[in-house]
Amino acid sequence: DAKTTQPNSMESNEEEPVHLPCNHSTISGTDYIHWYRQLPSQGPEYVIHGLTSNVNNRMASLAIAEDRKSSTLILHRATLRDAAVYYCILRDAWGYGGSQGNLIFGKGTKLSVKP
Amino acid sequence: NAGVTQTPKFQVLKTGQSMTLQCAQDMNHEYMSWYRQDPGMGLRLIHYSVGAGITDQGEVPNGYNVSRSTTEDFPLRLLSAAPSQTSVYFCASSYYRGNTEAFFGQGTRLTVV
Repeated sequence: DAKTTQPNSMESNEEEPVHLPCNHSTISGTDYIHWYRQLPSQGPEYVIHGLTSNVNNRMASLAIAEDRKSSTLILHRATLRDAAVYYCILRDAWGYGGSQGNLIFGKGTKLSVKP
Repeated sequence: NAGVTQTPKFQVLKTGQSMTLQCAQDMNHEYMSWYRQDPGMGLRLIHYSVGAGITDQGEVPNGYNVSRSTTEDFPLRLLSAAPSQTSVYFCASSYYRGNTEAFFGQGTRLTVV
Protein backbone atom coordinates (compact mmCIF):
# COMPACT_ATOMS: atom_id res chain seq x y z
CA ASP A 1 0.00 0.00 0.00
CA ALA A 2 1.17 3.50 -0.70
CA LYS A 3 1.81 5.13 2.67
CA THR A 4 2.02 8.70 3.88
CA THR A 5 4.35 10.23 6.47
CA GLN A 6 3.32 13.22 8.58
CA PRO A 7 4.84 14.93 11.61
CA ASN A 8 3.21 13.85 14.85
CA SER A 9 2.41 17.38 15.97
CA MET A 10 2.66 21.03 15.00
CA GLU A 11 1.92 24.34 16.68
CA SER A 12 0.61 27.53 15.20
CA ASN A 13 -0.45 30.96 16.37
CA GLU A 14 -3.96 32.15 15.77
CA GLU A 15 -4.46 34.12 12.53
CA GLU A 16 -1.15 32.95 11.10
CA PRO A 17 -0.80 30.60 8.11
CA VAL A 18 -0.14 26.93 8.76
CA HIS A 19 1.66 24.56 6.41
CA LEU A 20 1.06 20.88 7.16
CA PRO A 21 3.45 18.60 5.23
CA CYS A 22 2.87 15.08 3.96
CA ASN A 23 5.31 12.74 2.24
CA HIS A 24 4.08 9.99 -0.06
CA SER A 25 7.09 8.78 -2.02
CA THR A 26 5.40 5.57 -3.26
CA ILE A 27 2.29 7.27 -4.64
CA SER A 28 0.89 5.66 -7.78
CA GLY A 29 -0.42 7.40 -10.85
CA THR A 30 -4.08 6.87 -9.92
CA ASP A 31 -3.78 7.90 -6.27
CA TYR A 32 -5.48 11.10 -5.24
CA ILE A 33 -4.21 12.94 -2.17
CA HIS A 34 -6.98 13.44 0.35
CA TRP A 35 -6.95 15.44 3.57
CA TYR A 36 -9.35 14.95 6.44
CA ARG A 37 -9.37 16.47 9.89
CA GLN A 38 -10.83 15.34 13.16
CA LEU A 39 -11.87 17.87 15.74
CA PRO A 40 -11.93 16.71 19.38
CA SER A 41 -14.73 14.24 20.11
CA GLN A 42 -16.02 14.35 16.53
CA GLY A 43 -15.90 12.20 13.44
CA PRO A 44 -13.43 13.07 10.69
CA GLU A 45 -14.45 15.66 8.12
CA TYR A 46 -13.29 16.11 4.56
CA VAL A 47 -10.96 19.04 3.91
CA ILE A 48 -9.65 18.84 0.36
CA HIS A 49 -8.23 16.51 -2.26
CA GLY A 50 -6.20 16.72 -5.46
CA LEU A 51 -4.27 14.78 -8.08
CA THR A 52 -1.57 16.95 -9.63
CA SER A 53 -2.54 20.59 -9.67
CA ASN A 54 -2.81 22.80 -6.62
CA VAL A 55 -6.35 23.00 -5.27
CA ASN A 56 -8.20 25.64 -3.30
CA ASN A 57 -11.50 25.59 -1.46
CA ARG A 58 -13.14 27.58 1.30
CA MET A 59 -11.36 25.60 4.01
CA ALA A 60 -7.80 25.28 2.74
CA SER A 61 -5.35 25.00 -0.13
CA LEU A 62 -3.46 21.92 -1.24
CA ALA A 63 -0.04 22.33 -2.80
CA ILE A 64 1.24 19.23 -4.60
CA ALA A 65 4.89 18.80 -5.56
CA GLU A 66 5.63 18.40 -9.24
CA ASP A 67 6.82 14.80 -8.73
CA ARG A 68 3.75 14.16 -6.49
CA LYS A 69 5.93 12.63 -3.78
CA SER A 70 4.91 15.24 -1.25
CA SER A 71 2.12 17.70 -0.61
CA THR A 72 1.28 20.49 1.82
CA LEU A 73 -2.05 21.45 3.30
CA ILE A 74 -2.23 25.20 3.82
CA LEU A 75 -4.57 26.86 6.27
CA HIS A 76 -4.34 30.53 5.37
CA ARG A 77 -5.33 31.95 8.75
CA ALA A 78 -5.49 29.49 11.61
CA THR A 79 -8.28 29.88 14.10
CA LEU A 80 -8.78 28.12 17.42
CA ARG A 81 -11.41 25.98 15.70
CA ASP A 82 -8.72 24.58 13.39
CA ALA A 83 -7.08 22.73 16.29
CA ALA A 84 -7.51 19.12 15.22
CA VAL A 85 -5.73 16.01 13.96
CA TYR A 86 -5.09 16.29 10.22
CA TYR A 87 -4.84 13.14 8.14
CA CYS A 88 -3.17 12.90 4.73
CA ILE A 89 -4.49 9.84 2.88
CA LEU A 90 -3.90 8.38 -0.57
CA ARG A 91 -7.03 7.07 -2.21
CA ASP A 92 -7.10 5.26 -5.53
CA ALA A 93 -9.27 7.10 -8.03
CA TRP A 94 -11.36 4.11 -9.10
CA GLY A 95 -11.34 1.85 -6.06
CA TYR A 96 -8.39 -0.28 -7.04
CA GLY A 97 -4.75 -0.32 -5.99
CA GLY A 98 -3.33 -1.37 -2.66
CA SER A 99 -5.91 0.50 -0.63
CA GLN A 100 -8.72 -0.63 -2.94
CA GLY A 101 -10.05 2.88 -2.76
CA ASN A 102 -10.69 2.64 0.97
CA LEU A 103 -9.69 5.46 3.30
CA ILE A 104 -6.78 4.06 5.30
CA PHE A 105 -5.85 6.39 8.15
CA GLY A 106 -2.44 6.85 9.69
CA LYS A 107 -1.84 8.72 12.95
CA GLY A 108 -2.00 12.16 11.38
CA THR A 109 -0.63 15.48 12.61
CA LYS A 110 -2.06 17.02 15.74
CA LEU A 111 -2.29 20.76 15.19
CA SER A 112 -2.40 23.03 18.21
CA VAL A 113 -3.39 26.68 17.75
CA LYS A 114 -2.32 29.24 20.34
CA PRO A 115 -4.33 32.41 20.90
CA ASN B 1 -30.21 16.24 5.05
CA ALA B 2 -29.31 14.22 8.12
CA GLY B 3 -26.10 12.86 6.55
CA VAL B 4 -24.71 9.84 8.40
CA THR B 5 -26.55 8.93 11.58
CA GLN B 6 -25.15 6.54 14.17
CA THR B 7 -27.03 5.10 17.11
CA PRO B 8 -26.53 4.76 19.99
CA LYS B 9 -24.03 7.48 20.93
CA PHE B 10 -22.92 5.65 24.06
CA GLN B 11 -23.18 2.02 25.13
CA VAL B 12 -21.86 -0.12 27.98
CA LEU B 13 -21.83 -3.88 27.46
CA LYS B 14 -20.85 -6.78 29.62
CA THR B 15 -18.32 -9.26 28.27
CA GLY B 16 -20.08 -11.85 26.14
CA GLN B 17 -23.13 -9.73 25.33
CA SER B 18 -24.09 -9.01 21.76
CA MET B 19 -25.28 -5.79 20.22
CA THR B 20 -25.73 -3.98 16.93
CA LEU B 21 -24.41 -0.53 16.16
CA GLN B 22 -26.68 1.20 13.69
CA CYS B 23 -25.57 3.39 10.79
CA ALA B 24 -27.87 5.06 8.30
CA GLN B 25 -27.27 7.56 5.52
CA ASP B 26 -29.75 9.51 3.42
CA MET B 27 -27.46 10.57 0.58
CA ASN B 28 -27.97 7.50 -1.63
CA HIS B 29 -24.31 6.59 -1.24
CA GLU B 30 -23.17 3.24 -2.55
CA TYR B 31 -20.07 2.91 -0.35
CA MET B 32 -20.26 2.58 3.42
CA SER B 33 -17.65 1.60 5.97
CA TRP B 34 -17.03 1.07 9.67
CA TYR B 35 -13.96 2.18 11.63
CA ARG B 36 -12.81 1.89 15.19
CA GLN B 37 -10.61 4.42 16.93
CA ASP B 38 -8.65 3.61 20.06
CA PRO B 39 -7.12 6.33 22.28
CA GLY B 40 -4.30 8.21 20.58
CA MET B 41 -4.68 6.21 17.38
CA GLY B 42 -5.94 6.85 13.91
CA LEU B 43 -9.03 5.15 12.58
CA ARG B 44 -8.81 1.49 11.55
CA LEU B 45 -11.11 0.02 8.92
CA ILE B 46 -13.27 -2.87 10.15
CA HIS B 47 -15.61 -3.70 7.25
CA TYR B 48 -16.87 -1.96 4.18
CA SER B 49 -19.58 -2.31 1.56
CA VAL B 50 -19.61 -1.14 -2.06
CA GLY B 51 -23.36 -1.58 -2.42
CA ALA B 52 -26.40 -3.43 -1.16
CA GLY B 53 -25.64 -7.12 -0.75
CA ILE B 54 -21.86 -6.68 -0.99
CA THR B 55 -19.54 -6.50 2.02
CA ASP B 56 -15.85 -7.11 2.56
CA GLN B 57 -13.30 -7.13 5.35
CA GLY B 58 -11.04 -4.25 6.25
CA GLU B 59 -7.93 -4.14 8.44
CA VAL B 60 -9.44 -5.41 11.72
CA PRO B 61 -12.56 -7.50 10.98
CA ASN B 62 -12.30 -10.16 13.70
CA GLY B 63 -15.17 -10.14 16.18
CA TYR B 64 -17.47 -8.08 13.96
CA ASN B 65 -20.14 -8.95 11.40
CA VAL B 66 -21.86 -6.73 8.88
CA SER B 67 -24.64 -6.96 6.32
CA ARG B 68 -26.04 -4.52 3.77
CA SER B 69 -29.60 -5.29 2.83
CA THR B 70 -30.45 -1.72 1.78
CA THR B 71 -28.47 1.20 0.37
CA GLU B 72 -29.29 3.31 3.42
CA ASP B 73 -28.30 1.03 6.30
CA PHE B 74 -25.06 -0.68 7.30
CA PRO B 75 -25.27 -2.20 10.80
CA LEU B 76 -22.24 -3.51 12.67
CA ARG B 77 -22.77 -6.52 14.92
CA LEU B 78 -20.69 -7.60 17.88
CA LEU B 79 -21.62 -11.23 18.49
CA SER B 80 -19.79 -11.70 21.80
CA ALA B 81 -18.32 -8.47 23.14
CA ALA B 82 -14.81 -8.47 24.59
CA PRO B 83 -13.00 -5.73 26.56
CA SER B 84 -10.63 -5.36 23.59
CA GLN B 85 -13.58 -4.03 21.61
CA THR B 86 -13.87 -1.00 23.88
CA SER B 87 -13.44 1.82 21.41
CA VAL B 88 -15.13 4.63 19.52
CA TYR B 89 -16.79 3.42 16.34
CA PHE B 90 -17.35 5.60 13.28
CA CYS B 91 -19.46 4.90 10.25
CA ALA B 92 -18.74 6.62 6.94
CA SER B 93 -20.31 6.81 3.52
CA SER B 94 -19.38 8.14 0.10
CA TYR B 95 -20.91 8.11 -3.34
CA TYR B 96 -18.60 5.30 -4.40
CA ARG B 97 -15.32 3.69 -3.34
CA GLY B 98 -12.52 5.80 -4.74
CA ASN B 99 -12.06 9.45 -5.35
CA THR B 100 -15.04 10.96 -3.56
CA GLU B 101 -15.63 12.87 -0.36
CA ALA B 102 -16.51 10.68 2.60
CA PHE B 103 -18.99 11.71 5.27
CA PHE B 104 -18.63 10.44 8.81
CA GLY B 105 -21.09 9.96 11.62
CA GLN B 106 -20.55 11.38 15.10
CA GLY B 107 -19.45 8.06 16.52
CA THR B 108 -20.56 5.47 19.07
CA ARG B 109 -18.53 5.22 22.25
CA LEU B 110 -18.60 1.58 23.36
CA THR B 111 -17.29 0.28 26.66
CA VAL B 112 -17.12 -3.45 27.35
CA VAL B 113 -16.69 -4.36 31.01
